[in-house]
Amino acid sequence: EVQLVETGGGLIQPGGSLRLSCVVSGFTVSSKYMTWVRQAPGKGLEWVSLIYSGGATDYTDSVKGRFTISRDISKNTLYLQMNSLRAQDTAVYYCARGGGLTWYSDYWGQGTLVVVSS
Amino acid sequence: DIQMTQSPSTLSASVGDRVTITCRTSQSINTFLNWYQQKPGKAPKLLIYAAFSLQTGVPSRFSGSGSGTEFTLTISGLQPEDFATYYCQQTYNTPVFGGGTKVEI
Repeated sequence: EVQLVETGGGLIQPGGSLRLSCVVSGFTVSSKYMTWVRQAPGKGLEWVSLIYSGGATDYTDSVKGRFTISRDISKNTLYLQMNSLRAQDTAVYYCARGGGLTWYSDYWGQGTLVVVSS
Repeated sequence: DIQMTQSPSTLSASVGDRVTITCRTSQSINTFLNWYQQKPGKAPKLLIYAAFSLQTGVPSRFSGSGSGTEFTLTISGLQPEDFATYYCQQTYNTPVFGGGTKVEI
């Protein structure tokens, strides 16, 4: 059974750092295209970052240079390192497994809440 | 960047209605268009991928159509569990979600 479980969210001051983890089971994290998607309170979905099975990565403009996506095959875990956090980064962060011809996300985690506030 | 315009932002409907949600893109994305359903406090759920392919386990009352720059999600015979927010997503290049459509009673 495919499962994704995010951890690492919490309350952090502006300018701080946080690392989100997404432990996956039922497949190998390196075998699939993986994404992070966030949702600010009361707002819509926003794609944040992706990592292809081959290792290439991409980021939405607002997090480039601040966030880093990575994975640990030995732990079957996806990460999102978030530095220089801003109030606008406050959101529920979801990890999702993707793939297929149109890079859809077919399995999602339950989300972890990040609140950036002083 | 490809711009996404999803409409309407809110849709009032009744059980049994046929509803249609539209997603337009600023340039052609072929059929690199996916649809998701999200209920409050829950993760999104994939409904349709590649513009018209129904994800396994999704009821057949959901259907998708379109290609190029205009796409639609249709729910034929709205059920109580379908009241939710729906998002389109283009994955032709850097992924972008539409603004969402809340389907309410």
